[in-house]
Amino acid sequence: DVKVTQSSRYLVKRTGEKVFLECVQDMDHENMFWYRQDPGLGLRLIYFSYDVKMKEKGDIPEGYSVSREKKERFSLILESASTNQTSMYLCASSLSFSRGYTFGSGTRLTVV
Amino acid sequence: AQSVTQLGSHVSVSEGALVLLRCNYSSSVPPYLFWYVQYPNQGLQLLLKYTSAATLVKGINGFEAEFKKSETSFHLTKPSAHMSDAAEYFCAVTDYGGSQGNLIFGKGTKLSVKP
Repeated sequence: DVKVTQSSRYLVKRTGEKVFLECVQDMDHENMFWYRQDPGLGLRLIYFSYDVKMKEKGDIPEGYSVSREKKERFSLILESASTNQTSMYLCASSLSFSRGYTFGSGTRLTVV
Repeated sequence: AQSVTQLGSHVSVSEGALVLLRCNYSSSVPPYLFWYVQYPNQGLQLLLKYTSAATLVKGINGFEAEFKKSETSFHLTKPSAHMSDAAEYFCAVTDYGGSQGNLIFGKGTKLSVKP
């Protein structure tokens, strides 16, 4: 069965810390995505990548960056964590948009 | 760019009753359409998808959805709700005009099932 694995289910970090959220997929998918999910706001796209070393800004990239050095791994970086980045973060991958996305289980990040 | 509207952020039904979750999209260009389900503290799981074949699409767990081009709708139904159906449901559509075919998600509908 295809899998998208997010390294942490729950994470607590302090304001100002640099935070890394890791995502690995084993399906040889070209496309990978990072979303944040907040109550009442649904899923909002932060960054996406169509290939190794490529990245594109989504709808809310401010305060975030990404890294894709290998096809299977897509990392989300919070350069200086702030309390308004407390959220559920979801990683997804896809072979093509017609097939939909496969999601990881999510990382619930709390910034204190 | 596409947009997706899910009518009703919360829907409550009794066990055994019909489930109807509504989704409308904005574009006149036939899109690809998806329904996802999210159980508490989990990621999203694909329920079903429409990719321009049959307009009535059957998915997992007894759910189905009908694509109606004239109404730009893709409503999700299940004839008889089960307690295990309690979850949040997201409709999504491909965004041809905006983000190179990325999916655009609705804000979600939380389904409660009463015994």
